[in-house]
Amino acid sequence: GEDVEQSLFLSVREGDSSVINCTYTDSSSTYLYWYKQEPGAGLQLLTYIFSNMDMKQDQRLTVLLNKKDKHLSLRIADTQTGDSAIYFCAESIGDYKLSFGAGTTVTVRA
Amino acid sequence: SAVISQKPSRDICQRGTSLTIQCQVDSQVTMMFWYRQQPGQSLTLIATANQGSEATYESGFVIDKFPISRPNLTFSTLTVSNMSPEDSSIYLCSVRDRGLLGQNTGELFFGEGSRLTVL
Repeated sequence: GEDVEQSLFLSVREGDSSVINCTYTDSSSTYLYWYKQEPGAGLQLLTYIFSNMDMKQDQRLTVLLNKKDKHLSLRIADTQTGDSAIYFCAESIGDYKLSFGAGTTVTVRA
Repeated sequence: SAVISQKPSRDICQRGTSLTIQCQVDSQVTMMFWYRQQPGQSLTLIATANQGSEATYESGFVIDKFPISRPNLTFSTLTVSNMSPEDSSIYLCSVRDRGLLGQNTGELFFGEGSRLTVL
C-alpha cells in the first residue's frame, strides 16, 4: 500500500520544540520527505532522508527514521511564529513519485 | 536547487472552458511531474511529464481531461479541459533535480502552484 498518515493538528508554544510524527507503509521507499506549506504558497522542501539513515540534522530541524516501525518524525527546535504552516510527510514510490500524508497544521502560540 | 516558475499563479474560470498552466524550470531536469491539491486536501500525483513522448498518468487521471506537453527538459504544460467546479484546486509542477556532479539526488522541488477556481 501507499498510505502515509500523520496527525492533523499540533499546537506549540513559541520557543518550545515541535515534534511532528508520520507513519508510512512502503518499506521499499528510498527517500522520505518533509515539506512545508504556508498559507497561499506552494510546497517548500524542508529536508529529506535517505532510507538507510536513521537521523539527519539541519540547523533547527532533526529528522528521525525508524525503518523497522516505518515511522518518521520531524523535530523543530526553538519553534518560532514563522514556523506556523502545514507540514507534509511524503514517501517516495518507485524512487521518484511521492505519496503524501494529509498534512499537519502547526500553530505556534505566543 | 532548481527554480520553478508557474503561470498563471491563479485564475478564475468558467465552467466548460479549458486552461493551460505552464511550468518553466531554470535548468534541465530529469523528471517533471504534475500534482493536484484540492481544497483542504493533500497532494495527488496526476502524471509524469515525459520529454518527447506521452505523459504517464496515474489511476483516475486521463489524457483527455489533463493533456500534458513536455517539449524539452525545462518546460511543461498541463491543460485542465472542460472544467467543472470540482476541478477547483491548486495545480503544482514538481521537478527532480540533479546534483552538482550530475547525479540523481532525492531532491524533489515544487513550484508555487496555480490556484484555479471554477465557477
